[in-house]
Amino acid sequence: GENVEQHPSTLSVQEGDSAVIKCTYSDSASNYFPWYKQELGKGPQLIIDIRSNVGEKKDQRIAVTLNKTAKHFSLHITETQPEDSAVYFCAAPDGSSNTGKLIFGQGTTLQVKP
Amino acid sequence: KAGVTQTPRYLIKTRGQQVTLSCSPISGHRSVSWYQQTPGQGLQFLFEYFSETQRNKGNFPGRFSGRQFSNSRSEMNVSTLELGDSALYLCATKPGASTDTQYFGPGTRLTVL
Repeated sequence: GENVEQHPSTLSVQEGDSAVIKCTYSDSASNYFPWYKQELGKGPQLIIDIRSNVGEKKDQRIAVTLNKTAKHFSLHITETQPEDSAVYFCAAPDGSSNTGKLIFGQGTTLQVKP
Repeated sequence: KAGVTQTPRYLIKTRGQQVTLSCSPISGHRSVSWYQQTPGQGLQFLFEYFSETQRNKGNFPGRFSGRQFSNSRSEMNVSTLELGDSALYLCATKPGASTDTQYFGPGTRLTVL
């Protein structure tokens, strides 16, 4: 089955700096890669996702890049703000493309210092 | 559109008891997946239901079970609770059976004493 590794486990940046979180996956057949943000006491919230036919996707200050050859994908947050502080999870589907089963990385705790 | 609803939000049970958690999906979403989140193991997949049928199951003991109703609402049940079952239980819903964007509910925090 799919295995997802996420780094770093914690990340501290100064407000206004950029933050990058990286994930690797094992199943070359995986074709969908979402990123979730989880704030304290809340469920994970989808912030961006990318499909394997696209190399990069941007949404305002957030971008995700995908390298299918190396089997890794990264989340980039520019001009970080204190409200970006949260735990971020990457994920990839396990098994065939027709599944709702996601395998999650272990999470990255992002702290943005004012 | 209303988001994913989970009830109750908090539960305290004792070892040996059983518990039932409920998830109401976003209107029009027919797929419901359940996840267990703990500090040690992270987010782990429990099972997925689509059109009242279990399509996928994670590596959890048979004490964990679920079902889905004709209105797509889903319940999960944990019998003979153990201390290690203390966790945040999350459900995620999506429109269809294919790999697609899943939207999570706020979760049910279960504490087993």
